Amino acid sequence: GNSVTQMEGPVTLSEEAFLTINCTYTATGYPSLFWYVQYPGEGLQLLLKATKADDKGSNKGFEATYRKETTSFHLEKGSVQVSDSAVYFCALLPSSNTGKLIFGQGTTLQVKP
Amino acid sequence: EAGVAQSPRYKIIEKRQSVAFWCNPISGHATLYWYQQILGQGPKLLIQFQNNGVVDDSQLPKDRFSAERLKGVDSTLKIQPAKLEDSAVYLCASSLGLAGGSETQYFGPGTRLLVL
Repeated sequence: GNSVTQMEGPVTLSEEAFLTINCTYTATGYPSLFWYVQYPGEGLQLLLKATKADDKGSNKGFEATYRKETTSFHLEKGSVQVSDSAVYFCALLPSSNTGKLIFGQGTTLQVKP
Repeated sequence: EAGVAQSPRYKIIEKRQSVAFWCNPISGHATLYWYQQILGQGPKLLIQFQNNGVVDDSQLPKDRFSAERLKGVDSTLKIQPAKLEDSAVYLCASSLGLAGGSETQYFGPGTRLLVL
């Protein structure tokens, strides 16, 4: 079946540090991949997405590349800020495109000044 | 553009009571989703509507959960009777509902339910 696995959190970094949050998936065919972010007290917001192999999604300094060969979609940012503190969810939309997003368990990021 | 609206934001009930949540999607969005997010886990789809028809309710506990989307706009999700394990955040999302593609789902702020 379809599933998403994220690295365990919380991840604690100092401001301006480099961020990587690992995400791997299991799916048949060619799913679309997403990163959503949930700031404290708010709903999920789409951060970036990639719809085919080797696509790179990017937004607000965050990047993730769809790697079919390693079934991965790792989230990276070169220099994090305190305002990036949030919970990050990796998700996939199966190639059948029924609309049913499959989420990972989420990774909490804490950035300290 | 207004986002997805949900109410109430918080609800505390005792087990075996009933509760209802309301969602108003983004104007013009044909597809509406209800997700359940248990603490420490990612959201899990409960039910998906396309206009006022159900597309997927395979993970909805139909013995206690029900949902409707009258007139293809607003939706309500009901739990009756509630169990302790229903304590979670209930998220509503909507999307344009275009055939094919990988369209974005837009999420509301959620309703946090605590069952005592």
